[in-house]
Amino acid sequence: AQTVTQSQPEMSVQEAETVTLSCTYDTSESDYYLFWYKQPPSRQMILVIRQEAYKQQNATENRFSVNFQKAAKSFSLKISDSQLGDAAMYFCAYSSLGDTDKLIFGTGTRLQVFP
Amino acid sequence: DGGITQSPKYLFRKEGQNVTLSCEQNLNHDAMYWYRQDPGQGLRLIYYSQIVNDFQKGDIAEGYSVSREKKESFPLTVTSAQKNPTAFYLCASTPLAGRPGGYTFGSGTRLTVV
Repeated sequence: AQTVTQSQPEMSVQEAETVTLSCTYDTSESDYYLFWYKQPPSRQMILVIRQEAYKQQNATENRFSVNFQKAAKSFSLKISDSQLGDAAMYFCAYSSLGDTDKLIFGTGTRLQVFP
Repeated sequence: DGGITQSPKYLFRKEGQNVTLSCEQNLNHDAMYWYRQDPGQGLRLIYYSQIVNDFQKGDIAEGYSVSREKKESFPLTVTSAQKNPTAFYLCASTPLAGRPGGYTFGSGTRLTVV
């Protein structure tokens, strides 16, 4: 069974600085998708970024980028120029290619942003 | 604006009662999902449905039931058989084309047993 591990329950960063959130996963599949979701205090989940495993190029969305290391089964999220609005819970998630109805989530990392 | 509406935002249940959480979407999405979120844990899948009148169990379906009579609606009933129902419940939807990951989530319902 696939698992997703986020080993950092909490992280903090100062405004305008860069922070990296870690995520590792375990799977025997070669094709799959990985995601980072943001859950602000409103509790609504928002998709931040998506990575297809067959793509070697790391995904980027504005200030958000990932470092996808397929062999190491690592999928970290880098937030550049952190803003106060980035404060939230961040969840890493996995979905296999053939069973895309199930998103498997990590336990989340709470990010605090200090002015 | 299109989106997912979950109601109520807060719900209190007495021991032994069944309660139903509402989830409605106007995105014309085919698939809908229910997730449960507990403190310190990620989201866990309860039930999902890809088409009307059909649904499948997720990882933690025991004590829950669902129906999908309309494409727009996917209510979740928390039955008295669910031993620990206090949690935050999130509904999500996605079109069948363009999956995975194109999930849209509602703003959730917090259920508390009193």
